[in-house]
Amino acid sequence: GENVEQHPSTLSVQEGDSAVIKCTYSDSASNYFPWYKQELGKGPQLIIDIRSNVGEKKDQRIAVTLNKTAKHFSLHITETQPEDSAVYFCAAKSYWNSGGYQKVTFGTGTKLQVIP
Amino acid sequence: NAGVTQTPKFRVLKTGQSMTLLCAQDMNHEYMYWYRQDPGMGLRLIHYSVGEGTTAKGEVPDGYNVSRLKKQNFLLGLESAAPSQTSVYFCASRTSGDEQYFGPGTRLTVT
Repeated sequence: GENVEQHPSTLSVQEGDSAVIKCTYSDSASNYFPWYKQELGKGPQLIIDIRSNVGEKKDQRIAVTLNKTAKHFSLHITETQPEDSAVYFCAAKSYWNSGGYQKVTFGTGTKLQVIP
Repeated sequence: NAGVTQTPKFRVLKTGQSMTLLCAQDMNHEYMYWYRQDPGMGLRLIHYSVGEGTTAKGEVPDGYNVSRLKKQNFLLGLESAAPSQTSVYFCASRTSGDEQYFGPGTRLTVT
């Protein structure tokens, strides 16, 4: 099955600096890669996603890049702000069983701290 | 819309006790999921449902049962709780699209 590795596990940056979180996946058939932000005491919330036919996607201060050949994708946050402090999860969607069900496999999370 | 709601928010159980976690969504979503979140392990799929009356096992189903009698509700049951089931449980739902909408979570402690 799919295996998603995420690095780093913790990341501290100064306000205004950029933050980069990297993930690798194992299943070359994976075709959808979402990123979730989880604030303390809340459930994960989708912040950006990318499909396998796209190399880069940007939404204001957040961007995601995908390298299908190397099977890795990254989240880039520019001009970080204290409200960006949270746990970020990457994920990959792939076929999971013989029934054709596609399941999302999550990375282990990155705790981002933005220091004012 | 309330989105995805979960009850209860917190619960402490003794080993061997049973309980049911309730997930409700008001978005008319077909797909619903139960995950558990443990430190350093991300989110792992326990069970899922592709529609009313259907359920299927995820990657860590042992010790849990589920039911989807109504489209808007997805129940997760623990028949005989064990300390290894101490975790934070998240419910999620989605339409035919890819985005999953998560509930706020239930923190369960089994002593």
